[in-house]
Amino acid sequence: TQLLEQSPQFLSIQEGENLTVYCNSSSVFSSLQWYRQEPGEGPVLLVTVVTGGEVKKLKRLTFQFGDARKDSSLHITAAQPGDTGLYLCAPHQTGANNLFFGTGTRLTVIP
Amino acid sequence: EADIYQTPRYLVIGTGKKITLECSQTMGHDKMYWYQQDPGMELHLIHYSYGVNSTEKGDLSSESTVSRIRTEHFPLTLESARPSHTSQYLCASSEPVGLGEKLFFGSGTQLSVL
Repeated sequence: TQLLEQSPQFLSIQEGENLTVYCNSSSVFSSLQWYRQEPGEGPVLLVTVVTGGEVKKLKRLTFQFGDARKDSSLHITAAQPGDTGLYLCAPHQTGANNLFFGTGTRLTVIP
Repeated sequence: EADIYQTPRYLVIGTGKKITLECSQTMGHDKMYWYQQDPGMELHLIHYSYGVNSTEKGDLSSESTVSRIRTEHFPLTLESARPSHTSQYLCASSEPVGLGEKLFFGSGTQLSVL
C-alpha cells in the first residue's frame, strides 16, 4: 500500500490570494500527475511532471516535482472562483499497473 | 475535450434491483477503469481492463462486475443493489504518456440506493 499525503485537506481563500498545496510520499515515483475535479464532474488532467526538480507552469498554476521525485507542489497565483475544485495528485511508480490517487485538497475560492 | 460518456448521470433505485452503469469511449483506448468515490473522499479503483476480454479487480473490493466485449464499451453491473452501494462511480480510459498513463474521465454516475 502506497503512503501518499496531500495537504491541506481543505482550503478556503478569498479571490486574489495565493496558495500552495502539497503532495508528499516516502516513495520515489517515475512521474506524477495533477488532476482537478470540479463538483459533479470527473477529474481532468492538469499536468504531468517527470524529472526531479522540474517546474511546469500552466497560466496561474505552477507545478513542481521534488528533486528526489517523492513529492510535488502546486502553487496558484491570484486565485479565482473558477479554481474551486478538488486537486488530486496521482503518482506513477515504475512497474505499477495503475495510477493511484491521493485524498486530494478541496479548494474553495470565495468571490 | 474527453470523448468518454457515462449514463445515467443520476440513478435512484430501491434495494435489491439489478443495475448496469454504462461507459463508452470513442478514443480507441485499450485500457479502461472504474473508480468509486464517496463525497469528499478519494478515488478507489474497483475494476480495470487492458482490452477486449480482459477484466481485473482493483484495489478496493467491490460486489460489482464488469465486462469488456468491445473496445469502446465497459459496463459495470450490480446484481442486487444495497444502500452501501450508494456512491459516485467514475469511468475512465487512458493512453500511454511517457512512463505512465493519461486518464480521461467521464462525468460519473451518482448512484443512490434506498
